[in-house]
Amino acid sequence: DAGITQSPRHKVTETGTPVTLRCHQTENHRYMYWYRQDPGHGLRLIHYSYGVKDTDKGEVSDGYSVSRSKTEDFLLTLESATSSQTSVYFCAISDPTGWNTEAFFGQGTRLTVV
Amino acid sequence: AQSVTQLDSQVPVFEEAPVELRCNYSSSVSVYLFWYVQYPNQGLQLLLKYLSGSTLVESINGFEAEFNKSQTSFHLRKPSVHISDTAEYFCAVKGSGNTGKLIFGQGTTLQVKP
Repeated sequence: DAGITQSPRHKVTETGTPVTLRCHQTENHRYMYWYRQDPGHGLRLIHYSYGVKDTDKGEVSDGYSVSRSKTEDFLLTLESATSSQTSVYFCAISDPTGWNTEAFFGQGTRLTVV
Repeated sequence: AQSVTQLDSQVPVFEEAPVELRCNYSSSVSVYLFWYVQYPNQGLQLLLKYLSGSTLVESINGFEAEFNKSQTSFHLRKPSVHISDTAEYFCAVKGSGNTGKLIFGQGTTLQVKP
């Protein structure tokens, strides 16, 4: 298994509170991603990073921010959690150079906003 | 814009029967296609991928998928399923550019019955 650790694995939080999810990798991959998984929608990209302090938005970025201060860590922050952000969040890593296009996924974080 | 459509949300099948999970894509650029599998309460694992060359690609556990450019399809098949194949299956296409972003279909739940 690729060395990807997400924390926490489960979290319940109240509406309006800030929440930070962490993704840590030991593979030294350049790219890191945050996806959310919702029934009927598959996985949708929230934000991604292509290097330290280099990030960009995905298709569902509203209400989320990210930071990457080290190659191995990629943080996802919900500034003020809403019930619509209840979801399962997956971190992924890849090094899309040449033919190597495979992404590796973490175990996921189940977030419930009440 | 690129998109992926998985035509069936759930596919029930009896053990040892054949199965086909359908996937159609829309892309105006060179196509890299993937099938991922997600077992309950786990992350996604790569099942197989098409990058170029032979249009028929195989996985180590008996699944195969065929890239059909004229029909813009990448259907997943297995001639004889096992109970252990029960999982959710996601079809994905690589996004434009060299960022490694993936665009996922909605997912298909394969339910193998004894």
